[in-house]
Amino acid sequence: NAGVTQTPKFQVLKTGQSMTLQCAQDMNHNSMYWYRQDPGMGLRLIYYSASEGTTDKGEVPNGYNVSRLNKREFSLRLESAAPSQTSVYFCASRPPGTVSGNTIYFGEGSWLTVV
Amino acid sequence: AQSVTQLGSHVSVSEGALVLLRCNYSSSVPPYLFWYVQYPNQGLQLLLKYTSAATLVKGINGFEAEFKKSETSFHLTKPSAHMSDAAEYFCAVSGQNQGGKLIFGQGTELSVKP
Repeated sequence: NAGVTQTPKFQVLKTGQSMTLQCAQDMNHNSMYWYRQDPGMGLRLIYYSASEGTTDKGEVPNGYNVSRLNKREFSLRLESAAPSQTSVYFCASRPPGTVSGNTIYFGEGSWLTVV
Repeated sequence: AQSVTQLGSHVSVSEGALVLLRCNYSSSVPPYLFWYVQYPNQGLQLLLKYTSAATLVKGINGFEAEFKKSETSFHLTKPSAHMSDAAEYFCAVSGQNQGGKLIFGQGTELSVKP
């Protein structure tokens, strides 16, 4: 049971380059999320998708775009990478239902360095 | 707006000592509260969660947390620390009708001395 799978795990980009972080979950979850983790700041929500075909901005969406390709996949794109986007990125998903107490499951993370 | 504050970015305890990691929250609606653990270079793993049932919540690896509404706190404890408990711990809050979005505290790194 793979759970939430992110690729790539490590990436180094030059300023101005673009790239896409891929995320897929095999748990039939409706909701998916992208967070970034920075030292001393915990995890901050970039974008989320409540269901296939819908996406919404989170706390720190600037410089990012997302695509909910289907129920399984939720990708995060950096169009023009900046050093401030150096971070660890986590994809997550949550089971269906309206109870916010449902557990969110996280991927293993993607370490991105922009030089 | 919801927020979470974790008191102490670094906590160090001796092996066998009590672990206490502090978390205070603010929420205008009844919250759901979570503790996650992150081992080096790994993702986040759920330790325990409070979802308006029992106020004392038991989790994995011997951890537990008590929801205290009057103090807006959800502190994480473990009676006896083990070396394998060394990790970063995150407290998070989610409100009803918030789409399951989690608001995280800044994290507390726990070190365990032999």
